Amino acid sequence: GAVVSQHPSRVICKSGTSVKIECRSLDFQATTMFWYRQFPKKSLMLMATSNEGSKATYEQGVEKDKFLINHASLTLSTLTVTSAHPEDSSFYICSASLTVPYNEQFFGPGTRLTVL
Amino acid sequence: AQSVTQLGSHVSVSEGALVLLRCNYSSSVPPYLFWYVQYPNQGLQLLLKYTTGATLVKGINGFEAEFKKSETSFHLTKPSAHMSDAAEYFCAVSDRDDKIIFGKGTRLHILP
Repeated sequence: GAVVSQHPSRVICKSGTSVKIECRSLDFQATTMFWYRQFPKKSLMLMATSNEGSKATYEQGVEKDKFLINHASLTLSTLTVTSAHPEDSSFYICSASLTVPYNEQFFGPGTRLTVL
Repeated sequence: AQSVTQLGSHVSVSEGALVLLRCNYSSSVPPYLFWYVQYPNQGLQLLLKYTTGATLVKGINGFEAEFKKSETSFHLTKPSAHMSDAAEYFCAVSDRDDKIIFGKGTRLHILP
């Protein structure tokens, strides 16, 4: 099946710094990638939809200047948490969409962000 | 708008017993339906999915789910629980665009 990787798997940073998370589709090209945030013991919240070569579409309530998304190629999307604060600590999961023969998302293993 | 309701945030079953995790959805168009499993500190793994055709869908690890349009349900079952089934399970719906809407999840506990 299609494989999606994320890097890093864990990151700890100081408050005020920026953190970049990479999401790669390893064996297929994904025109669309998604970024989710998962709070402890909660469901996944869609943050944004990332389309290769265009601006990301953010869900209501998600600060686009806070969570910068770049989808530079068909196999790579990055999420940068800018000026991170402790409340940004969370589990971030990406997925990549394979549209043929039908829409299916393949999920990365997630990135645990801890902001001190 | 689509939505997913998972009844029971926690379900406990004895090892060897039937597993039943309930999921109801709402969608204005024929949906795609999914069940995912998540182990601690890991991403989501697809258990099974319904797109079209046969309403009884078999997935990995002995799980299956039945799409019942009249009941707007997509309950997940497994005849005999194993200790390794302990995890968080998410039901999800897609109306065939790219977005997937997740339920709040059900934590499955397996009792020895």
